Amino acid sequence: EPEVTQTPSHQVTQMGQEVILRCVPISNHLYFYWYRQILGQKVEFLVSFYNNEISEKSEIFDDQFSVERPDGSNFTLKIRSTKLEDSAMYFCASSIRDRVLFGPGTRLTVT
Amino acid sequence: QQQVKQSPQSLIVQKGGISIINCAYENTAFDYFPWYQQFPGKGPALLIAIRPDVSEKKEGRFTISFNKSAKQFSLHIMDSQPGDSATYFCAASTIKAAGNKLTFGGGTRVLVKP
Repeated sequence: EPEVTQTPSHQVTQMGQEVILRCVPISNHLYFYWYRQILGQKVEFLVSFYNNEISEKSEIFDDQFSVERPDGSNFTLKIRSTKLEDSAMYFCASSIRDRVLFGPGTRLTVT
Repeated sequence: QQQVKQSPQSLIVQKGGISIINCAYENTAFDYFPWYQQFPGKGPALLIAIRPDVSEKKEGRFTISFNKSAKQFSLHIMDSQPGDSATYFCAASTIKAAGNKLTFGGGTRVLVKP
């Protein structure tokens, strides 16, 4: 079965630095998402992307965050100036419609 | 109103037993209710999902029971195996043209003892 892939698996960055998390969604999927999970907590929605634009975003997704689909296969999440509280697992996901399939995640550690 | 409440937080069951996890929601606009299984260090894996027009759905050892009037749904894992030891998340959403934004419950850590 096709899978969502994410790189890197672990990213360590210093507070205030910019990070870009990368994802390759499933090829025939139309909707793309980013979620995050702080250690030991529930999975939280950040943003959805459809038809080359943000279709919905949460309160967490402030001006420090941006998403982009730079080509036909990649989907990226950029955090402009990382804070300690951005440390979390970030999951990319995609769907045709209802079945949302998640990638393995990128563990972001901000020091 | 967007919250999904999940219980219990953790569960220990003997091999061969039944694991039951419950979720409750408030938003009556929710129309899609999936369950995800997550192993440590991995992403959530879609297990089974239900729409509100049916009261039960079964796939292998996993069954969702759905009670629309009570706004509750539950996951039953029959004949639990040690390999089922994982964290299980319920979720709910309203499927829109803009996508399927999932609201997750807090998770239940299941340990199946051999």
